[in-house]
Amino acid sequence: KQEVTQIPAALSVPEGENLVLNCSFTDSAIYNLQWFRQDPGKGLTSLLLIQSSQREQTSGRLNASLDKSSGRSTLYIAASQPGDSATYLCAVMGNSGGSNYKLTFGKGTLLTVNP
Amino acid sequence: DAGITQSPRYKITETGRQVTLMCHQTWSHSYMFWYRQDLGHGLRLIYYSAAADITDKGEVPDGYVVSRSKTENFPLTLESATRSQTSVYFCASSEYGPDTQYFGPGTRLTVL
Repeated sequence: KQEVTQIPAALSVPEGENLVLNCSFTDSAIYNLQWFRQDPGKGLTSLLLIQSSQREQTSGRLNASLDKSSGRSTLYIAASQPGDSATYLCAVMGNSGGSNYKLTFGKGTLLTVNP
Repeated sequence: DAGITQSPRYKITETGRQVTLMCHQTWSHSYMFWYRQDLGHGLRLIYYSAAADITDKGEVPDGYVVSRSKTENFPLTLESATRSQTSVYFCASSEYGPDTQYFGPGTRLTVL
C-alpha cells in the first residue's frame, strides 16, 4: 500500500526566504507526482505535475524535483511571499494497472510566510 | 468557464438520512473522483469514474453510492448518514487517467 509522508508538518519563514518542502513515498511504481496548494476552507489548486520519467518541473518561482528510485520529491519555493501561505499537499498517482488512476496524498505542510 | 462546481457547499443532516452531494464539470473530462478530507487522515479516495456508466471503488467506499449517467455529473449519495461521515468532500476531474486532477471547492457535511 502506497504511503506518502510530508516533512515538515508546519513551517514558518520570513518573507523573501527560499524554502524546500519534502515528500517521500514508499512505492516507486508511479505514473506521476502532483503538488497542490490548499488555502483555508478552499479546494485544492494544482501547482505542478511531474511524470515518472521526468526529474523536475518548473512554474514561476516553484520548482519540483522527483527521484523515483529513492521515493522522494521536493518542492522549492524561491523568494517566498505572504501570499504563498497555505497548506501544500504532495500526491502520488500509483501505476497499479487498469483504470485506477488513484492519487494517494500526504497530510500536507502548513506554510506561513511572515511579512 | 465554471470549471468544476459542487453543491451544496455546506450541509447539516441527521443520522440515518439520505444525502446527495452534487458535482458538475464543464470540461467534458473523462475521469471524475470523490475524495473526503479528515484531520489526521488527509484526503482519501471514495469512488472514481473513468467515463459515463463506469464507476469503481476507491479506498473508503463503504456507506456511499455513486452514479454517472452523464459525463458532466458525478453525484455522491450517502444512503444512511452516520456521524463518521462528517467530513469535507471534494470532487475532482481529469481529462484522462494519468493527468492533472482539478478539484472543486468542496462540500462541508456535518452529520448530527
